Amino acid sequence: SSELTQDPAVSVALGQTVRITCQGDSLRSYYASWYQQKPGQAPVLVIYGKNNRPSGIPDRFSGSSSGNTASLTITGAQAEDEADYYCNSRDSSGNHHVVFGGGTKLTVL
Amino acid sequence: QVTLKESGPVLVKPTETLTLTCTVSGFSLSNARMGVSWIRQPPGKALEWLAHIFSNDEKSYSTSLKSRLTISKDTSKSQVVLTMTNMDPVDTATYYCARMAVAATPWFDPWGQGTLVTVSS
Repeated sequence: SSELTQDPAVSVALGQTVRITCQGDSLRSYYASWYQQKPGQAPVLVIYGKNNRPSGIPDRFSGSSSGNTASLTITGAQAEDEADYYCNSRDSSGNHHVVFGGGTKLTVL
Repeated sequence: QVTLKESGPVLVKPTETLTLTCTVSGFSLSNARMGVSWIRQPPGKALEWLAHIFSNDEKSYSTSLKSRLTISKDTSKSQVVLTMTNMDPVDTATYYCARMAVAATPWFDPWGQGTLVTVSS
């Protein structure tokens, strides 16, 4: 399968920890990358590879993977973390194709 | 500083061909570790990868749209061009270009600001 599945919406209380998941067969072979998108803005990379953060991304963002599931964890969520989050990975069919998940809307309460 | 900027028409008619240009700065299109991808997002919907091109001119296309897409680059101009034929209202979306890291799982960083293309008669 070349699909990545995400929960449409997740909420977290301010300062608490939240995990956003991404499921798909390709994740058994490839890591996921994660993007944050705020309304009216382009996506921003927050996690890539095994668990790497680009420069400028707070260390409260982390990534992990187990089996066919990749997770983005925000430890101590802040109000500014409210956004849509997308995962992507490589298609497992053996070509260079890329797939994105359907996105998760994170609400910080 | 690495930047990408999309340009092209904001409105196209059904059946027309869309041509979008991505102008990059801060990196070279001949960099073997990087490529450029096009990704789109219909209003209120998810991201959809369309195509990418590598420094060696290798190209890859979304299976569902392959027959309609062509990606090319002009390294001397630092531009990547995407054409999509036979446009339909369902192709209305914000079209992004992004620098792509060549890796087992490619990642995209940074992205252009995006350009909204509306398909309507």
